[in-house]
Amino acid sequence: QSMLTQPPSASGTPGQRVSISCSGDNSNIGDNYVYWYQKLPGTAPKLLIYKNNQRPSGVPDRFSGSKSGTSASLAISGLRSEDEADYYCAAWDDNLSGQVFGGGTKLTVL
Amino acid sequence: QVQLQQWGAGLLKPSETLSLTCAVYGGSFSNYFYSWIRQPPGKGLEWIGEISHSGSANYNPSLKSRVTISVDTSKKHFSLKVTSVTAADTAVYYCARENDDVSDWGQGTLVTVSS
Repeated sequence: QSMLTQPPSASGTPGQRVSISCSGDNSNIGDNYVYWYQKLPGTAPKLLIYKNNQRPSGVPDRFSGSKSGTSASLAISGLRSEDEADYYCAAWDDNLSGQVFGGGTKLTVL
Repeated sequence: QVQLQQWGAGLLKPSETLSLTCAVYGGSFSNYFYSWIRQPPGKGLEWIGEISHSGSANYNPSLKSRVTISVDTSKKHFSLKVTSVTAADTAVYYCARENDDVSDWGQGTLVTVSS
């Protein structure tokens, strides 16, 4: 059972903007940074967003992150077919003294 | 460019010990956290635990009694051991090196537990 709650699926058409939510509580998102990963089948996760809204070098600015209170979201603008993947949020949980992942959101580009 | 290469047994019987090692090639070994994450078939990512380059470790409470993560800074290796495995431990296991904007991952190892 994930400590962070994500919608199981999301979809959009090419060029659209989609948003994926991640809900937690004061022990994780409310008190710590949120990270977002992209996971393609058969490949290792790729870091898209760190410290709530920062993009690592090489990640397109079409990807953006935000956080408010105990929730966070990942937005993808100018949707492309290659964005079709699973997306996971993650944060440190103070009560568990460990990292927790969301259950993942499968993004389909229609 | 940093590369992480992991290896270990891919097929185990119930009650055996899972053992995986991850080597870091290139880049600094200091000032990073070294993690193990797994993904059971058809399921999401699960954090197993992490260790700093100095050896301070944190574990997922649900696995803590069976998991040990260790680091060998001289070899730039870090390792995972999970004792008393069951079918529920069947997953692709990933090693990772992370620190803020740095997130380097191994290729993943499918570990299957079956009698």
